Amino acid sequence: AQRVTQPEKLLSVFKGAPVELKCNYSYSGSPELFWYVQYSRQRLQLLLRHISRESIKGFTADLNKGETSFHLKKPFAQEEDSAMYYCALRGNTDKLIFGTGTRLQVFP
Amino acid sequence: DTGVSQDPRHKITKRGQNVTFRCDPISEHNRLYWYRQTLGQGPEFLTYFQNEAQLEKSRLLSDRFSAERPKGSFSTLEIQRTEQGDSAMYLCASSLAGTGTYEQYFGPGTRLTVT
Repeated sequence: AQRVTQPEKLLSVFKGAPVELKCNYSYSGSPELFWYVQYSRQRLQLLLRHISRESIKGFTADLNKGETSFHLKKPFAQEEDSAMYYCALRGNTDKLIFGTGTRLQVFP
Repeated sequence: DTGVSQDPRHKITKRGQNVTFRCDPISEHNRLYWYRQTLGQGPEFLTYFQNEAQLEKSRLLSDRFSAERPKGSFSTLEIQRTEQGDSAMYLCASSLAGTGTYEQYFGPGTRLTVT
């Protein structure tokens, strides 16, 4: 079965603290993993994808096939990072399978 | 082109009524997707089109749901005989297949409330 698990509904940190949003997946083949973000009152938008191996807004994510994880990390959180973050998997068809999301709150 | 648009943004209907939502994708995008999102959940896939062909439908898409993309541009999602469990945010997304990026661009959603 194809599944994405985000174990934390809410993650609260202070500005400048490191952040790690967890994502684990279940998929038998070679998945393509994404992180999408939704800021308050805005639409869902792509943050980053594992194949590009890039850093966006200071965020990075590494695909660990052994642990079937794709955790999102940022060394120093900013208040503007406060948002809802969704991990998503693209399997053998073009649909995305999303996790339940983690709300990140960054306090000043 | 300002991105994917959806209409209406909000819809309140009584149980048993039919509703129809519209999605206009980014103009050059050949793939169009529908998702549903309920409170506390991530978006759940419903169906997607390449041009006018419906390529995949989720088991979530019961017989009361139908989606079309007649000319390969805009799409409509119709729900017949609405039930309270249909209350959700309905999201549309589009992408350009064949570029290798598979990025899906989302619309603002249509929030349906069934009373």
